[in-house]
Amino acid sequence: NAGVTQTPKFQVLKTGQSMTLQCAQDMNHEYMSWYRQDPGMGLRLIHYSVGAGITDQGEVPNGYNVSRSTTEDFPLRLLSAAPSQTSVYFCASSYLLPSYTGWVTDTQYFGPGTRLTVL
Amino acid sequence: EDKVVQSPLSLVVHEGDTVTLNCSYEVTNFRSLLWYKQEKKAPTFLFMLTSSGIEKKSGRLSSILDKKELFSILNITATQTGDSAIYLCAVPTGTASKLTFGTGTRLQVTL
Repeated sequence: NAGVTQTPKFQVLKTGQSMTLQCAQDMNHEYMSWYRQDPGMGLRLIHYSVGAGITDQGEVPNGYNVSRSTTEDFPLRLLSAAPSQTSVYFCASSYLLPSYTGWVTDTQYFGPGTRLTVL
Repeated sequence: EDKVVQSPLSLVVHEGDTVTLNCSYEVTNFRSLLWYKQEKKAPTFLFMLTSSGIEKKSGRLSSILDKKELFSILNITATQTGDSAIYLCAVPTGTASKLTFGTGTRLQVTL
């Protein structure tokens, strides 16, 4: 198993450019998510998905789009990059477990990250 | 608003010391608390805690949860330089499966 893979590892963009960060997992996990990590801010959830065709916003969704057409893939799109989007981006996946309040994420496994710089 | 707070923010210790990292939380419908270790790259899973008072242990690392006082601690005994990392605490929050992270504790172990 490759686990969670992300491409590219590094990217430099100019303000206004668009790009897609790729994320794939081969563990048949229902749940996938994108985080950004900035110094002093910890990991903040951007978007997440509980299955193919289902996505929802996290804590910091503005400026990012996602889609989930297959269980394996969960790309993150930046439509018009801004310097404030300079960050390290992590994709993560997990199984979903039933709980008395609904589905809950099991242990999340992280990809190696993409370091994005927007000039 | 769901909240996860870690302390201290950073810590420098000598090799061989014992350290205790703290994570407190305020969440609706608590289900579990997770600890991760992050070295240079992606966070890697350490523990998941769901029940109060039951210690989880892996080598020199151990963790325990107190659901009454709403906190967890992560202990590392006989620290080594390889323990230098950011330690992250996370709690599933919201109606579905969002994972809310604390800001992390940066641990540096010196010779």
